[in-house]
Amino acid sequence: DSGVTQTPKHLITATGQRVTLRCSPRSGDLSVYWYQQSLDQGLQFLIQYYNGEERAKGNILERFSAQQFPDLHSELNLSSLELGDSALYFCASSVGVEVYTGELFFGEGSRLTVL
Amino acid sequence: DAKTTQPTSMDCAEGRAANLPCNHSTISGNEYVYWYRQIHSQGPQYIIHGLKNNETNEMASLIITEDRKSSTLILPHATLRDTAVYYCIVRPYNNAGNMLTFGGGTRLMVKP
Repeated sequence: DSGVTQTPKHLITATGQRVTLRCSPRSGDLSVYWYQQSLDQGLQFLIQYYNGEERAKGNILERFSAQQFPDLHSELNLSSLELGDSALYFCASSVGVEVYTGELFFGEGSRLTVL
Repeated sequence: DAKTTQPTSMDCAEGRAANLPCNHSTISGNEYVYWYRQIHSQGPQYIIHGLKNNETNEMASLIITEDRKSSTLILPHATLRDTAVYYCIVRPYNNAGNMLTFGGGTRLMVKP
């Protein structure tokens, strides 16, 4: 158990819909990262938040957005869903902005299926 | 970040050592080598990291060549539960943003 909690574990929805994925980082961790893993793309970094503020952005689509709340949990919002958005979405956390051990703690993921 | 090259897949017999190679010939002086693994559809798990000296922890050993252009992750006594995709990642120690860039990894199959 990494200490990172993601909900829901599974989600099935239709094209055009909007969903929200939730992540609670490990106690004491200020940074949250979102990754997307689809069959043909591997693990892709989407976005990082540190203590409520966006810190780094990767290959995140404009239809996707995220935020980190004062209690440090984070939500990833996916809208106008397409079939290609079907993937595993992982959240990870670390203590600070720059973790010198390089260690990220990953949750178990949210599996999104778009029909 | 420096690019890494890993074999797509490897097999290992249960109880034997699994040696997973990684090539990072363009690594620069301030870049560390990190290893993560991902057991089927679970979240990636940190294994070990190093700069130039060999490192060992309760999970594995990391051997880095003297020129730092390649490294080997060693699982000394592989078990069936070590079947996973193993990712070798090179990044600066204090990389701003701290995100990890995952490549294709090596799919290790431990067989009975």
